[in-house]
Amino acid sequence: AQTVTQSQPEMSVQEAETVTLSCTYDTSESDYYLFWYKQPPSRQMILVIRQEAYKQQNATENRFSVNFQKAAKSFSLKISDSQLGDAAMYFCASTAWGPGTYKYIFGTGTRLKVLA
Amino acid sequence: DGGITQSPKYLFRKEGQNVTLSCEQNLNHDAMYWYRQDPGQGLRLIYYSQIVNDFQKGDIAEGYSVSREKKESFPLTVTSAQKNPTAFYLCASSARAGQGALEQYFGPGTRLTVT
Repeated sequence: AQTVTQSQPEMSVQEAETVTLSCTYDTSESDYYLFWYKQPPSRQMILVIRQEAYKQQNATENRFSVNFQKAAKSFSLKISDSQLGDAAMYFCASTAWGPGTYKYIFGTGTRLKVLA
Repeated sequence: DGGITQSPKYLFRKEGQNVTLSCEQNLNHDAMYWYRQDPGQGLRLIYYSQIVNDFQKGDIAEGYSVSREKKESFPLTVTSAQKNPTAFYLCASSARAGQGALEQYFGPGTRLTVT
């Protein structure tokens, strides 16, 4: 079964510092997509960044970047210059597609606290 | 503005009653999904639909039912057979595999409390 694992239930970072959230996944598919979603206290899920597995270049969106290690099945999120508004739950997700099956698998999340 | 709406935001029911959660999208997405979110757990898939008039069970479908009569709508019914229905429910949509950007778009969620 395909799985997504986030081993850090909670992380803290000082405002303006950098933090890295870890994610590992397991898939038998050769083509897949990986995502990081942010869920602030409002509970609205917001896409942070997306990575296509066939692309070797790591995705970047402003202060957010990923370290995609395909062989190690690792997909970590780096947040630079952390801001108070970055405080949220962060979920790593993967497509889980197979014959007749088009699902997404989510990790259990990492709660990020930003300290002023 | 395109997006996904879920109503109501908060829902209260007595044990033994069925309740239907609404999900509507105007993103022209073929695929729609229902997730349940409990504290300390990620999003667990209840049902999903890739096309109108077709849907498939997710990982925790027992005690739930859905319909997909229109592309825009994917209502979820929580039946009295669901043993622990109190939870936060999220609806999402996406383009179908191979037909565009593949990230999911989420509604604001419905908090269901059953007493």
